[in-house]
Amino acid sequence: EAGVAQSPRYKIIEKRQSVAFWCNPISGHATLYWYQQILGQGPKLLIQFQNNGVVDDSQLPKDRFSAERLKGVDSTLKIQPAKLEDSAVYLCASSLVGGTSTDTQYFGPGTRLTVL
Amino acid sequence: AQSVAQPEDQVNVAEGNPLTVKCTYSVSGNPYLFWYVQYPNRGLQFLLKYITGDNLVKGSYGFEAEFNKSQTSFHLKKPSALVSDSALYFCAVRSSSGNTPLVFGKGTRLSVIA
Repeated sequence: EAGVAQSPRYKIIEKRQSVAFWCNPISGHATLYWYQQILGQGPKLLIQFQNNGVVDDSQLPKDRFSAERLKGVDSTLKIQPAKLEDSAVYLCASSLVGGTSTDTQYFGPGTRLTVL
Repeated sequence: AQSVAQPEDQVNVAEGNPLTVKCTYSVSGNPYLFWYVQYPNRGLQFLLKYITGDNLVKGSYGFEAEFNKSQTSFHLKKPSALVSDSALYFCAVRSSSGNTPLVFGKGTRLSVIA
């Protein structure tokens, strides 16, 4: 079974530029998550989708971050404009159902973003 | 609010010795607890989880964890460490009350020395 796919793996941009990350979850998984992992910290949830609807985006900085999950499969996370403090690894995860707290989340390899 | 504490930034253990990586949590309602491992330049890999039932949970690669409700702990253990176990380990908790997010600790770096 293929895992969660993410691209690109690495991205370097200058502050005030825009950037987009792509995620393809495990086939059949209804729920998709985007996390931000700053160096030395654990992942922090940015947004959770169930199918193509947003379940939780309370920690997404909506003035600069946006995300969509068209057709309930792939997802894109965008940052515009980027700030220095956005330098982090952006992890995508998926789970089979997601409506229950017991669901296991499976993570992709992440995209390492460096903002100069 | 939910929180996880991993009190040790780094744990060093000799190959073949038992290892323990500590985790304590705070959550309203019943906790659902998870352990993940992260190797360099890779995402998090699921090791095991506690939902209900037996307090001792067995997971991947010979790891196990013990849920202790009175001490609000969920320590990760392995009877005999391997050099290949060297990685970053994350404990995470989610509340049984509603659709709350999975909250991670800051991680513990395990170094197994040959």
